Amino acid sequence: SQTIHQWPATLVQPVGSPLSLECTVEGTSNPNLYWYRQAAGRGLQLLFYSVGIGQISSEVPQNLSASRPQDRQFILSSKKLLLSDSGFYLCAWSPGSSYNEQFFGPGTRLTVL
Amino acid sequence: AQSVTQLDSHVSVSEGTPVLLRCNYSSSYSPSLFWYVQHPNKGLQLLLKYTSAATLVKGINGFEAEFKKSETSFHLTKPSAHMSDAAEYFCVVSDSGYALNFGKGTSLLVTP
Repeated sequence: SQTIHQWPATLVQPVGSPLSLECTVEGTSNPNLYWYRQAAGRGLQLLFYSVGIGQISSEVPQNLSASRPQDRQFILSSKKLLLSDSGFYLCAWSPGSSYNEQFFGPGTRLTVL
Repeated sequence: AQSVTQLDSHVSVSEGTPVLLRCNYSSSYSPSLFWYVQHPNKGLQLLLKYTSAATLVKGINGFEAEFKKSETSFHLTKPSAHMSDAAEYFCVVSDSGYALNFGKGTSLLVTP
């Protein structure tokens, strides 16, 4: 069966510091991968998605970037965090043949102080 | 364009009573519709999905939803609430492609 991992689970960072969140998927090949952010009191916002290694599409211009160095690895980064980057970050995957049904990881709670 | 509206931001029920979480959608195409559940500080778990097959969809944990095209609705129901059902529920619509359009969520409270 397929599983999706995210780490760290929680993170507290000062403003201006760098960020690296990692997501890995097991048990499948060539998945589509997604990064979402869930801010307090809001729904989910799609940040990035990837259909293959090195292929990244950005949905919202912002202080963040994403990379996919391996087939089942998806990384969310920032060079300098802002207060507004605080939130709950969720990684998701879908089978390469389908975009619709997405499976979510446990999430990372990021607090920027 | 696609959008989804969850009609109630909070719903409170007593344990053992029925649950109804309401969702209306708009879509230019034949949509796929989903319900996800999120427990506090956890990821999202897929409850059920509609993808143009049977209009009454059965999901996990006793939940089901009925797709009504004439009403553009996809309400989530459960005959008898359990304490463990307390969580945030998201209605989601997708026309095609990668984008999932999430509702703002309904917080379900279950009281003893």
